[in-house]
Amino acid sequence: DAKTTQPTSMDCAEGRAANLPCNHSTISGNEYVYWYRQIHSQGPQYIIHGLKNNETNEMASLIITEDRKSSTLILPHATLRDTAVYYCIVRGHSGAGSYQLTFGKGTKLSVIP
Amino acid sequence: SQTIHQWPATLVQPVGSPLSLECTVEGTSNPNLYWYRQAAGRGLQLLFYSVGIGQISSEVPQNLSASRPQDRQFILSSKKLLLSDSGFYLCAWSGTTGGGYGYTFGSGTRLTVV
Repeated sequence: DAKTTQPTSMDCAEGRAANLPCNHSTISGNEYVYWYRQIHSQGPQYIIHGLKNNETNEMASLIITEDRKSSTLILPHATLRDTAVYYCIVRGHSGAGSYQLTFGKGTKLSVIP
Repeated sequence: SQTIHQWPATLVQPVGSPLSLECTVEGTSNPNLYWYRQAAGRGLQLLFYSVGIGQISSEVPQNLSASRPQDRQFILSSKKLLLSDSGFYLCAWSGTTGGGYGYTFGSGTRLTVV
């Protein structure tokens, strides 16, 4: 069963903010929201993760709704190099299944010049 | 800093031939190790994971096996490759405390079985 739902694809103009949504309505209290991206023919790259508070790092910002049922990854100034498939994943940090990072189909983000 | 090495980058093998892909991690001890596969146009599928030397968990029954002979070495093998084994194979590691930054992936091996 898919734990997250993401749009299949999105376009974003170069230099603009890219906002990638993710629904995770069945998330449990001890599960984190992780974002990875995979540039073509490369291994996935960690972007950011969070539990309930909004998070920001040098790559992106993660906005999690108060009920934790959805989140948005924000790339503040998208560049052509940000073209990739973006995966939203929920994962616990302990207990059964916490070892596994289960990838769905993700969102194919195309940054357009 | 921690690094993960995976080789070879590309491989073309005939059907029925054996396979051995190797992955090593540096700069950490007792990592959790993982093998994923991505078939053409498909998502990432977890094949095996290991929480310690000699400890292998298989997620999907298939023509492949994994071994962990040393703490930071993870090997993916097959005795006889099938056409359906073609794909992009990725090794990854994570810390054992569960949290942190999740997984770090290697650069992958693109296997074509002909």
